[in-house]
Amino acid sequence: SQQGEEDPQALSIQEGENATMNCSYKTSINNLQWYRQNSGRGLVHLILIRSNEREKHSGRLRVTLDTSKKSSSLLITASRAADTASYFCATCVAFDSGGGADGLTFGKGTHLIIQP
Amino acid sequence: EAGVTQFPSHSVIEKGQTVTLRCDPISGHDNLYWYRRVMGKEIKFLLHFVKESKQDESGMPNNRFLAERTGGTYSTLKVQPAELEDSGVYFCASSDLVYNEQFFGPGTRLTVL
Repeated sequence: SQQGEEDPQALSIQEGENATMNCSYKTSINNLQWYRQNSGRGLVHLILIRSNEREKHSGRLRVTLDTSKKSSSLLITASRAADTASYFCATCVAFDSGGGADGLTFGKGTHLIIQP
Repeated sequence: EAGVTQFPSHSVIEKGQTVTLRCDPISGHDNLYWYRRVMGKEIKFLLHFVKESKQDESGMPNNRFLAERTGGTYSTLKVQPAELEDSGVYFCASSDLVYNEQFFGPGTRLTVL
């Protein structure tokens, strides 16, 4: 079973509206990271939130983390056509003995479409 | 500052051939990761280097895959011999040991015919 699971799978909204995407996971985590992928391109890192944090902001992005519910949400305010992309959450479970963080576990993503 | 780069961007090979993918991490990043996304599936972790040491290779599918990171800088991922199910996009990511944000390269799209 996968660790991260985004909801909804697809979301279509009008430009200017807010978009909210959710992510649920199963095991305890060290941190959770959100990424964006435009069609056919690489993954762009958006935000990292640590397990001891509850909310982080970056520009028009707001991420929350509820470790008791094992869930996170990504809010994009005042959406723009350029926000059309797939959004992924990825969880990092632990740090290994060498000091580096474990590999990330990804969900299948939410495909966001912003209608002009 | 240059991001993570990967070469080639695309590779089309026949079953049984060998392919080597290269990843250059962000300068100064000790952590280097390889991931793969096959059609319709999630992005899956393959392995993790800290400097030149393999820290975790639990995600490597089988012994046809060999990753190296000599000198702790760039890394290569060799697939030998390639099979049809190896087709997909191979991503590389790097991070430092402090902030642990993983920055991804553009990926290499591998097609095995």
